[in-house]
Amino acid sequence: AQKVTQAQTEISVVEKEDVTLDCVYETRDTTYYLFWYKQPPSGELVFLIRRNSFDEQNEISGRYSWNFQKSTSSFNFTITASQVVDSAVYFCALSESDAGNNRKLIWGLGTSLAVNP
Amino acid sequence: DAMVIQNPRYQVTQFGKPVTLSCSQTLNHNVMYWYQQKSSQAPKLLFHYYDKDFNNEADTPDNFQSRRPNTSFCFLDIRSPGLGDAAMYLCATSRGLPGGGNEQFFGPGTRLTVL
Repeated sequence: AQKVTQAQTEISVVEKEDVTLDCVYETRDTTYYLFWYKQPPSGELVFLIRRNSFDEQNEISGRYSWNFQKSTSSFNFTITASQVVDSAVYFCALSESDAGNNRKLIWGLGTSLAVNP
Repeated sequence: DAMVIQNPRYQVTQFGKPVTLSCSQTLNHNVMYWYQQKSSQAPKLLFHYYDKDFNNEADTPDNFQSRRPNTSFCFLDIRSPGLGDAAMYLCATSRGLPGGGNEQFFGPGTRLTVL
């Protein structure tokens, strides 16, 4: 079964706090891809990062960082020194092949992050 | 800037009255997707085009159809909208294999209201 679990439904922090959004996935594929998307109140989904299953290097982009650990099937996302503009719903997604060798995204339910001034 | 454009941003229709949503892209991506997203839910894939090949999800109602006249444009037709079809409709594009390792780029969405 393909599954992406974002256990945190809602998180509320005060500006400048660090916050980590958890993502745990299940797959039987050896080749797969993981993504994070941000959806601000305007509704547009914004691509943040892609990671393939063979690259376990952590990545940092400004205040954002991602920790990919195959041993625990997790792909967690940390925002350092959060800002009000980070308030959004964040989706983790998994892409793997289906029986027809097509790929589609399996989405988590999202984590709603509220950063308060 | 290269982008995915959706028109209109807001659409109001009456129960049973056909409606068409449009999507265009300047990214020259060969794959285009339509998603439905209801409040507080993840996006749900309705169908996608891989070049001209149409791929319907098994649970997409027959009420939903799509057209892709060329690389740049894709349309979502809802033949007889019901109250349950009120949602945000998101168009996305990607390069290469459908839903593959390449990221999808999304438009701003069209919020559909059914009265």
